[in-house]
Amino acid sequence: AQRVTQPEKLLSVFKGAPVELKCNYSYSGSPELFWYVQYSRQRLQLLLRHISRESIKGFTADLNKGETSFHLKKPFAQEEDSAMYYCCPGANNLFFGTGTRLTVIP
Amino acid sequence: KAGVTQTPRYLIKTRGQQVTLSCSPISGHRSVSWYQQTPGQGLQFLFEYFSETQRNKGNFPGRFSGRQFSNSRSEMNVSTLELGDSALYLCASCPDSPGTDTQYFGPGTRLTVL
Repeated sequence: AQRVTQPEKLLSVFKGAPVELKCNYSYSGSPELFWYVQYSRQRLQLLLRHISRESIKGFTADLNKGETSFHLKKPFAQEEDSAMYYCCPGANNLFFGTGTRLTVIP
Repeated sequence: KAGVTQTPRYLIKTRGQQVTLSCSPISGHRSVSWYQQTPGQGLQFLFEYFSETQRNKGNFPGRFSGRQFSNSRSEMNVSTLELGDSALYLCASCPDSPGTDTQYFGPGTRLTVL
């Protein structure tokens, strides 16, 4: 069975500090990997996906197949990054992690 | 293109009642998925429909059901409501397969069960 783990429900960092949101998965096969973000009073939307290898809003995510992880990183957090972040691995892109609420402290 | 729309946006029901929620996907999108969002459980997958057929199903009881029409619009129904069904219900659409396509989410329907 597929499992997605986002170990931190809440994460607070200071503005300008590096941020890392963890995502671990168990999946037999090669999953596609997505990060979605939900800003306050906005819809859930795609932040980035592994296959595109883009950096969106300064965020990157590296797939580590050995550790089965797909952590989201940004070197310098901004206040506008405060949001709820969901990791979504798996061939069907249907099962999400429980989410991490990131708060960037000014 | 217009985004995913969901109606109604808010609902208040009492235990034992049933409810139907509606989702209109982005034009041209054939896959519609439904999720339950709660603060404690995050996003939980309910089911996915493609071309009027349920293609994937999550781990919810049979009280939760859905369907998709020929124009790709989808409805979900919850019968015999329980207090624990209070949540934000999201639908998402994508062109073909959530496994390869980005999902586009609607604003959600906030269901409160009293």
